[in-house]
Amino acid sequence: KAGVTQTPRYLIKTRGQQVTLSCSPISGHRSVSWYQQTPGQGLQFLFEYFSETQRNKGNFPGRFSGRQFSNSRSEMNVSTLELGDSALYLCASSLGIAGGTGELFFGEGSRLTVL
Amino acid sequence: QQQVKQSPQSLIVQKGGISIINCAYENTAFDYFPWYQQFPGKGPALLIAIRPDVSEKKEGRFTISFNKSAKQFSLHIMDSQPGDSATYFCAAIGYDMRFGAGTRLTVKP
Repeated sequence: KAGVTQTPRYLIKTRGQQVTLSCSPISGHRSVSWYQQTPGQGLQFLFEYFSETQRNKGNFPGRFSGRQFSNSRSEMNVSTLELGDSALYLCASSLGIAGGTGELFFGEGSRLTVL
Repeated sequence: QQQVKQSPQSLIVQKGGISIINCAYENTAFDYFPWYQQFPGKGPALLIAIRPDVSEKKEGRFTISFNKSAKQFSLHIMDSQPGDSATYFCAAIGYDMRFGAGTRLTVKP
């Protein structure tokens, strides 16, 4: 059974640009949640999608957005990139609502560097 | 945004020793407390989890102790091995999810 797949694994952008990251969940999983991981802040919850609907959102500015498709694949977008957006972006999938079981299956992340 | 305080930030233990990582939370709406293990270059993986209706859960060498009144929980790794060297995150799950900042564990041979 394939795990959670994130693309691209690495990318470099400059300030002001935008970026789109993709996440393919484990087959059959309907929830995809996104996290930002930085050395100083650890894991920060961005948002969760369940059945194409945003269920919950963390405390991030509106430049961070996402969506989920009918096949449960999800994308997140960051517009007007800032230096502080440099981080590892992780997505996780779960069978049901992420906040319910807590059993999240993480991908290996997309490492974004903003210059 | 951090509502889960994790300590220590880093931990060095000799092989065979006990590793202890602590977490404290503020929001009483959390009802599920997992621990994740992350190796370099990999995403976090669920290690062990507990619900607040029990005070302790053990799986092999890993034990979670939970103190609901103090809003604290901890991970104990018995007989620590070099292969346990990783970063460990605690989490508190409710309507949303909050993670601790992580503990980098190094087990020396």
